[in-house]
Amino acid sequence: EVHLVESGGGLVQPGGSLRLSCGDSGLPFSDYWMTWVRQTPGKGLEWVANIKQNGTEKNYVDSVKGRFTISRDNAKNLVYLLMNSLRVDDTAVYYCARGSAVFDSWGQGTLVTVSS
Amino acid sequence: DIVMTQSPDSLAVSLGERATINCKSSQTVLYSSNNKDYLAWYQQKPGQPPKLLIYWASTREDGVPDRFSGSGSGTDFTLTISSLQTEDVAVYYCQQYYTTPITFGQGTRLEIK
Repeated sequence: EVHLVESGGGLVQPGGSLRLSCGDSGLPFSDYWMTWVRQTPGKGLEWVANIKQNGTEKNYVDSVKGRFTISRDNAKNLVYLLMNSLRVDDTAVYYCARGSAVFDSWGQGTLVTVSS
Repeated sequence: DIVMTQSPDSLAVSLGERATINCKSSQTVLYSSNNKDYLAWYQQKPGQPPKLLIYWASTREDGVPDRFSGSGSGTDFTLTISSLQTEDVAVYYCQQYYTTPITFGQGTRLEIK
């Protein structure tokens, strides 16, 4: 059974950085693309980034390009989202999800708050 | 970007009655080479992450009750719950995966009348 767990969220000032992690305690996820999706009350669900099984292909929404980096460590069953130059409008619950386009398993999410 | 627009924003239906949620994409999500619509539906209950219900516009995910069905093609899609149960109270989202960025509808809140 897939059980995704995110960590690393918290309060950060504008311009700051955070690194989110997502682990799978079930089957190894090296066979799957992995994705980060965020959710805010105002903008709803927003796809952020995804990464191919071997990490050779990555895609980002325009609003985070150049600021966020997705990566993975298949030996540790972990996927990461390094977030730099954070802005107030990056405030959201960040979910990791399994899949490149259709997301059949989701974590519970981690809250990122960007505020001074 | 493909804009996904759902209607209505909220809906109240009596137990046992049919609930219908609509989703319209700003451009087609039908890929002509395989005749598949790149459209999914999710259910989100309070305090929980979204749950995949339907993909390819009409294929139910394993374990999803058959009272949930998806229909439509091209730019217009519908999620139907044939007989509303109390556990179906949730927000429902459509999502296109025809092209990046992947985009979601704004959500439809479904309540019991």
